[in-house]
Amino acid sequence: SSELTQDPAVSVALGQTVRITCQGDSLRSYYASWYQQKPGQAPVLVIYGKNNRPSGIPDRFSGSSSGNTASLTITGAQAEDEADYYCNSRDSSGNLHVVFGGGTKLTVL
Amino acid sequence: QVQLQESGPGLVKPSETLSLTCTVSGGSVSSGSYYWSWIRQPPGKGLEWIGYIYYSGSTNYNPSLKSRVTISVDTSKNQFSLKLSSVTAADTAVYYCARESGVTTVSMGYYYYMDVWGKGTTVTVSS
Repeated sequence: SSELTQDPAVSVALGQTVRITCQGDSLRSYYASWYQQKPGQAPVLVIYGKNNRPSGIPDRFSGSSSGNTASLTITGAQAEDEADYYCNSRDSSGNLHVVFGGGTKLTVL
Repeated sequence: QVQLQESGPGLVKPSETLSLTCTVSGGSVSSGSYYWSWIRQPPGKGLEWIGYIYYSGSTNYNPSLKSRVTISVDTSKNQFSLKLSSVTAADTAVYYCARESGVTTVSMGYYYYMDVWGKGTTVTVSS
């Protein structure tokens, strides 16, 4: 079982804003990182740290954190944003184990 | 620009050992404070962390796989490798290697991120 919990599926109308959340005790200590994965492709980092985007990631992607919950927000969702999204951090045991959330399937309507 | 490429057999028999290699290009596996990780994804399922080797050579494994996993590095070939013993059908998955960085400062906070991934290689466990 994952120590990070995500909703299995979320949908958003084209051009609207959607928030994908990730909950876990470790998020009280660590910022989450977020990955986008499209079918048949490797995951791609989209957000890391407090709210950092790698080069090439559109600025409609943003991250935030409060308590034990991290959020990935897509402002003005595009058709190409339809994908699976995973959060990730270290676990809360102090052993520096890596954990992933179960993933959220985003559908753009 | 650092790139990673997984390689190894696509078919492994049950009870045997799965062996994969990740070749690092555009950078050195022994430089910088990076964690060189293995992650897998069973068909239709989510990502599962297998383990990592730190640039210093120390390792850390998923507790659920620890008894069967070994990750090592070959600096002469700029590669790191995964061995998973006693495989079963449950080990059938796409296996990814990735480079992870960490930031652990009071001013910037504490976080880790995998910014470079290989394309993945499919491993099927079947007789």
